[in-house]
Amino acid sequence: DIVMTQSPDSLAVSLGERATINCKSSQSILYSSNIKNYLAWYQQKPGQPPNLLIYWASTRESGVPDRFSGSGSGTDFTLTINSLQAEDVAVYYCQQYYSAPYTFGQGTKLEIQ
Amino acid sequence: QVTLKESGPVLVKPTETLTLTCTVSGFSLSNSRMGVSWIRQPPGGALEWLAHIVSNDEKSYSTSLKNRLAISKDTSKSQVVLTMTNMDPVDTATYYCARMRLGFGELLYDHWGQGTLVSVSS
Repeated sequence: DIVMTQSPDSLAVSLGERATINCKSSQSILYSSNIKNYLAWYQQKPGQPPNLLIYWASTRESGVPDRFSGSGSGTDFTLTINSLQAEDVAVYYCQQYYSAPYTFGQGTKLEIQ
Repeated sequence: QVTLKESGPVLVKPTETLTLTCTVSGFSLSNSRMGVSWIRQPPGGALEWLAHIVSNDEKSYSTSLKNRLAISKDTSKSQVVLTMTNMDPVDTATYYCARMRLGFGELLYDHWGQGTLVSVSS
């Protein structure tokens, strides 16, 4: 199984500032034939199911604000939230869909400082 | 409008078998670009992928739980059923079903049910 490890486990950021969450896979999730990274990011607000934010490591899902961006390749990935808003308080999960089982990271809790 | 709704018992006893049903609307389980997954989350814990099923009945299971899980679908009823045998208190969790969007290699969960909390206790 591919193990997904996120860092940090939690972070507190001031409103309007930038938040950065890291995700590392135990093996490369870059598929050589199409040069795509099989990584998605999900946001889970309290009491709600997760919501898809980003896929292919850097493609925003329709309707996701452009302050959310994803980057990285191979085994190391980053979710960046610019100009943090109060509604961004949530737990963020990375997930690989390179191979089954489609494992999630342990989550990063984002709070307002 | 795509919706998914989980149903099943809220409480099961240790060693019992859990049966959960996901009833979907707004898409067909025969659509080759769609599938359904089950994902669970213990209280205060992380998401754990359990299983999925796609239109041609192909199935995939969690490595650690595959001996206890079975997933099936009834396309005519728009339902996906997950059974988990030999339940244990550590299986206490909110169980979600989610629609999988399948494309050119992508496998994404773009719609989720609200989840159903299942507690395991004698």
